[in-house]
Amino acid sequence: KAGVTQTPRYLIKTRGQQVTLSCSPISGHRSVSWYQQTPGQGLQFLFEYFSETQRNKGNFPGRFSGRQFSNSRSEMNVSTLELGDSALYLCASSSGMEQYFGPGTRLTVT
Amino acid sequence: ILNVEQSPQSLHVQEGDSTNFTCSFPSSNFYALHWYRWETAKSPEALFVMTLNGDEKKKGRISATLNTKEGYSYLYIKGSQPEDSATYLCASPQGGATNKLIFGTGTLLAVQP
Repeated sequence: KAGVTQTPRYLIKTRGQQVTLSCSPISGHRSVSWYQQTPGQGLQFLFEYFSETQRNKGNFPGRFSGRQFSNSRSEMNVSTLELGDSALYLCASSSGMEQYFGPGTRLTVT
Repeated sequence: ILNVEQSPQSLHVQEGDSTNFTCSFPSSNFYALHWYRWETAKSPEALFVMTLNGDEKKKGRISATLNTKEGYSYLYIKGSQPEDSATYLCASPQGGATNKLIFGTGTLLAVQP
């Protein structure tokens, strides 16, 4: 069974731009969660989508948004990028209690 | 807000040493405790999901225990090997939301050959 995939793996953007990251879950998994990892804060929960609906949300500003498609693939969007948005963004898919993580997208904002 | 803490922050051991780390979490409204291993340049890998007080789980040389009454879990590695070098993370769901995991900052383990 293929694992969780994320694209792109690396991204460099400029302040003020927007970015869209993609996550394809394990086949059959309907839940996709997104996390941000920064050196100072560790892994922080952004949001979870289940059956195309946002089910849970973390404490991030409205510039961070997401969506899920009918095939369970999910995208997250960050608008008006700030330097502090530079981070590793991980998604995880789940069909029960365990979450399976993708390799992440490394976003650098200059 | 759920607060998950881990100690120590980092650990350097020699090959063959046994070691253990601690994860602390609020004992009220406990739902589950997850352990992950995260090797550099790889995805976090799930090790254990624990839900019952007194539970003990084992995978090869790695085992974990859970005390939900006092709010802690221990992860043990017996006979550490260089391939065990990784960051070990624990996490707990917030507010019963199964997939809204609150992570500790991790314990970085380095095993010297």
